[in-house]
Amino acid sequence: GAGVSQTPSNKVTEKGKYVELRCDPISGHTALYWYRQSLGQGPEFLIYFQGTGAADDSGLPNDRFFAVRPEGSVSTLKIQRTERGDSAVYLCASSLSRGGTDTQYFGPGTRLTVL
Amino acid sequence: LAKTTQPVSMDSYEGQEVNITCSHNNIATNDYITWYQQFPSQGPRFIIQGYKTKVTNEVASLFIPADRKSSTLSLPRVSLSDTAVYYCLVGTSDKFYFGSGTKLNVKP
Repeated sequence: GAGVSQTPSNKVTEKGKYVELRCDPISGHTALYWYRQSLGQGPEFLIYFQGTGAADDSGLPNDRFFAVRPEGSVSTLKIQRTERGDSAVYLCASSLSRGGTDTQYFGPGTRLTVL
Repeated sequence: LAKTTQPVSMDSYEGQEVNITCSHNNIATNDYITWYQQFPSQGPRFIIQGYKTKVTNEVASLFIPADRKSSTLSLPRVSLSDTAVYYCLVGTSDKFYFGSGTKLNVKP
């Protein structure tokens, strides 16, 4: 079956611009996660959704970052006034339900480059 | 979140067994231990998960001592395609701390 998909695969933008990154989770998965991965580092947790609500957004670095999941399926990560330090691969994952014992299935990521 | 410590890198040869050990001294009673594998330009992929003693699946084994302060991922007879970064994660919460992982380089 289809896995987690993310679009676009690459995004190049200029400093100060607004970007949206999209995640399509596996059908039926209620939990959705966003991570950010810098070169040579492991994924860093950003936010977790259970259904439509953000159950934990403690990993969002500042108020320029925001994510939504209005219908409990597709999620969009939004970054305002992008900075060069936002350049990274943004990974999305989904799991059947909440909890650390459920396998998280990752998408291929969106590589964001802020010039 | 319990943090983890792994070797930065390891080298091996095709056909050998590889053991990667992870330290997690602050593991909580309810925490599970999960290992993921990541290839370049791909998202991490689940390998194995356990709580205590030994778990085995078709690709790996996971050994967890009684005190659960460490765990060892064992990959039998590695091949070149096992060259990747391996992450040890600890938790039950809805987020994982990945750390920097162990870069495994399998040589012919």
